[in-house]
Amino acid sequence: DAMVIQNPRYQVTQFGKPVTLSCSQTLNHNVMYWYQQKSSQAPKLLFHYYDKDFNNEADTPDNFQSRRPNTSFCFLDIRSPGLGDAAMYLCATSRGTGVTGELFFGEGSRLTVL
Amino acid sequence: SQKIEQNSEALNIQEGKTATLTCNYTNYSPAYLQWYRQDPGRGPVFLLLIRENEKEKRKERLKVTFDTTLKQSLFHITASQPADSATYLCARDAGNNRKLIWGLGTSLAVNP
Repeated sequence: DAMVIQNPRYQVTQFGKPVTLSCSQTLNHNVMYWYQQKSSQAPKLLFHYYDKDFNNEADTPDNFQSRRPNTSFCFLDIRSPGLGDAAMYLCATSRGTGVTGELFFGEGSRLTVL
Repeated sequence: SQKIEQNSEALNIQEGKTATLTCNYTNYSPAYLQWYRQDPGRGPVFLLLIRENEKEKRKERLKVTFDTTLKQSLFHITASQPADSATYLCARDAGNNRKLIWGLGTSLAVNP
């Protein structure tokens, strides 16, 4: 059974047209992450939530926003997508307790910007 | 700052052989290292974690080692199969419980 579900799997948008990607989890994990991954690159952390506590990375552009209305759901909003924002967006969760920090990823949302 | 370096060149091996992938880290020793598998167009999947005080960890055909002297982790797949073909990512803790520092990954191709 899928535990971290991302929608849509594929999203095509036009330059400057806002996009929202969603992530839901059935693991009841405290922490939810959004990563951006471009071809042949490492996942790049955009931000994460520990429960309702939002943690932005210093180099995440303002163009990227996030919402976590409840434990199960998290959204990534890209307010004005540019060509450089075309990437795979990965949602992940972790328990947030203990020391291991193993991540559970969704299948990703592939964003194309025309 | 901490970094993770993995072999940038793709690794091609014959089915049945052991694949060995390398992960080197800089600066202080991480509390743990994690290994993930990523198939094209999909999210990474967690495979193994090894802690600083562990020398070796095994799971079925997978084995991970951690050498704090060499600042290196090795990831082995024994009796490799074409289905093992994927990119393997190494990640270390960033000094807290919630973030990871990732390598670029090593692409493995197992030829029948």
